[in-house]
Amino acid sequence: DQQVKQNSPSLSVQEGRISILNCDYTNSMFDYFLWYKKYPAEGPTFLISISSIKDKNEDGRFTVFLNKSAKHLSLHIVPSQPGDSAVYFCAASEWNNDMRFGAGTRLTVKP
Amino acid sequence: DAGVTQSPTHLIKTRGQQVTLRCSPKSGHDTVSWYQQALGQGPQFIFQYYEEEERQRGNFPDRFSGHQFPNYSSELNVNALLLGDSALYLCASSLDRGRSGIQYFGAGTRLSVL
Repeated sequence: DQQVKQNSPSLSVQEGRISILNCDYTNSMFDYFLWYKKYPAEGPTFLISISSIKDKNEDGRFTVFLNKSAKHLSLHIVPSQPGDSAVYFCAASEWNNDMRFGAGTRLTVKP
Repeated sequence: DAGVTQSPTHLIKTRGQQVTLRCSPKSGHDTVSWYQQALGQGPQFIFQYYEEEERQRGNFPDRFSGHQFPNYSSELNVNALLLGDSALYLCASSLDRGRSGIQYFGAGTRLSVL
């Protein structure tokens, strides 16, 4: 039962361009969404989050957009930097329940 | 300020054996969650401990059990190991049961079952 889906296993972009990572979910009860970044041999690190009462949250080069009607969220990274190369996980939760993760998207930013 | 630490980093066991993984949460955190991450997949929630009690549990069999100690550290125990238990086991800590949504992860323990 995969309630959070990241359909693109990998994404490659040029340094300085925009990276757009997508995530779809099926559970309409999810009310909190997060993006985590994972480097090899490290645990996932929190990147940015958004509550279901918002449709956009911005933090520096990172912006998350939420489209509740489409059950879709995306992470925009502008401009992309080589250090952004990592696996990005989308996660979602509903009040007082466990967090569900997508399978991840491997982002490669080429110099 | 030490983050979440897990031990050991790697472990090799054989089918049928039992294993114990350990986790120390980030300083000041009182809630510990355990996840299993199979190759090519995202982390899957096993269970969460708060105030030394299991508060939530994912879709994992009873072979998976845990414990939280008064200092908030935690153990994950897996009995009767199966080949399919081979995975990266991640521990995450948070404050207030993680309702803020932000969990801090350790680097994980990679378990190989032969």
